[in-house]
Amino acid sequence: DVKVTQSSRYLVKRTGEKVFLECVQDMDHENMFWYRQDPGLGLRLIYFSYDVKMKEKGDIPEGYSVSREKKERFSLILESASTNQTSMYLCASTPAQTTGSEQYFGPGTRLTVT
Amino acid sequence: AQSVAQPEDQVNVAEGNPLTVKCTYSVSGNPYLFWYVQYPNRGLQFLLKYITGDNLVKGSYGFEAEFNKSQTSFHLKKPSALVSDSALYFCAVRDQAGTALIFGKGTTLSVSS
Repeated sequence: DVKVTQSSRYLVKRTGEKVFLECVQDMDHENMFWYRQDPGLGLRLIYFSYDVKMKEKGDIPEGYSVSREKKERFSLILESASTNQTSMYLCASTPAQTTGSEQYFGPGTRLTVT
Repeated sequence: AQSVAQPEDQVNVAEGNPLTVKCTYSVSGNPYLFWYVQYPNRGLQFLLKYITGDNLVKGSYGFEAEFNKSQTSFHLKKPSALVSDSALYFCAVRDQAGTALIFGKGTTLSVSS
């Protein structure tokens, strides 16, 4: 079974802090994704990566950056956390041939910025 | 542009009754359609998908979904609801050229005993 893990289930940070959210998948998937989930808004794509060191902006990239130095790991970075970034963050992965493949999700990180 | 609509924020059903969670989509070309379920404070779990072939797709936990191309719909169904089915359900779509999934806003299913 595919396993996607995220470094923290719950995280509390202060405004202005730099925040790192880590995601690791163990199935050699090429594509990895970061979404944020907010009530009534569903899942919104922040960034995705289709290969090591490659990244594409999603629908809401402002205030975020990403890093993919190794195939299995995809990091989301909040350069200067703000209260409006309080949210549930979900990581996902798929193999390179995505058209028929579902995304595999991690358990999520609930981030609170105070 | 691709989009997914889940017209109901909440669906309430009694245990043992059939349930339907609605989803409509907009995509250019042939769609790839997915349903996911999320339990409180958990990630999303894959339920089923439509890629091609039979319009009725069967998935996990007794769920099924019917693809209707003319109505651009992909409604999730179950013949007999369980209290344990209570959760948040997401419909998602990808077009043939896409990589990421586009998600609806989710529908909360509440099954009462």
